[in-house]
Amino acid sequence: DGGITQSPKYLFRKEGQNVTLSCEQNLNHDAMYWYRQDPGQGLRLIYYSQIVNDFQKGDIAEGYSVSREKKESFPLTVTSAQKNPTAFYLCASSVPGMYGYTFGSGTRLTVV
Amino acid sequence: QKEVEQNSGPLSVPEGAIASLNCTYSDRVSQSFFWYRQYSGKSPELIMSIYSNGDKEDGRFTAQLNKASQYVSLLIRDSQPSDSATYLCAVNMGGGGADGLTFGKGTHLIIQP
Repeated sequence: DGGITQSPKYLFRKEGQNVTLSCEQNLNHDAMYWYRQDPGQGLRLIYYSQIVNDFQKGDIAEGYSVSREKKESFPLTVTSAQKNPTAFYLCASSVPGMYGYTFGSGTRLTVV
Repeated sequence: QKEVEQNSGPLSVPEGAIASLNCTYSDRVSQSFFWYRQYSGKSPELIMSIYSNGDKEDGRFTAQLNKASQYVSLLIRDSQPSDSATYLCAVNMGGGGADGLTFGKGTHLIIQP
């Protein structure tokens, strides 16, 4: 079945540590997105990519980095520069244009 | 500033009644509109999309769009306890959606048995 796979489901980060969240899709979608969701808040766009080897900053890109070396994969690195990384991270993909997204199941990141 | 506004709720509706969820958006050139359902601790699930003025029905769900008023709504008929969730309104605002959808903060819906 086609879909988006995020891993791990839960992730714990120590202070000063970089961590990478995985996102893989087999939907043959060109566009991929990373969102952050905090309790009681909506989705805030971190980064997005419309094609391989190209990506753009969203509204809250500071402290995060991404790569898009393959169409299927769009990993997100939460760097030590992100001072408040505890949140629910959602990866999504779509056909570029006027279409809705398909979301992965999310990764819950906690700072310990 | 691109904005999508929703009443955060909670909106409490008796089982079997109609639940009405509303959303307004700021960008007049927006072209596509979506409703997502998100259960607590889970990821959003697309339940309705609408692109032109009027009503679109799918089972117990009806999406309504009024571009002149910049208003989109979701009606849930014969509400069930399993409909209890947060409903996110999302809008593709202008320019072909180069930076994707803008989401509202969601309305928390509670269906009371």
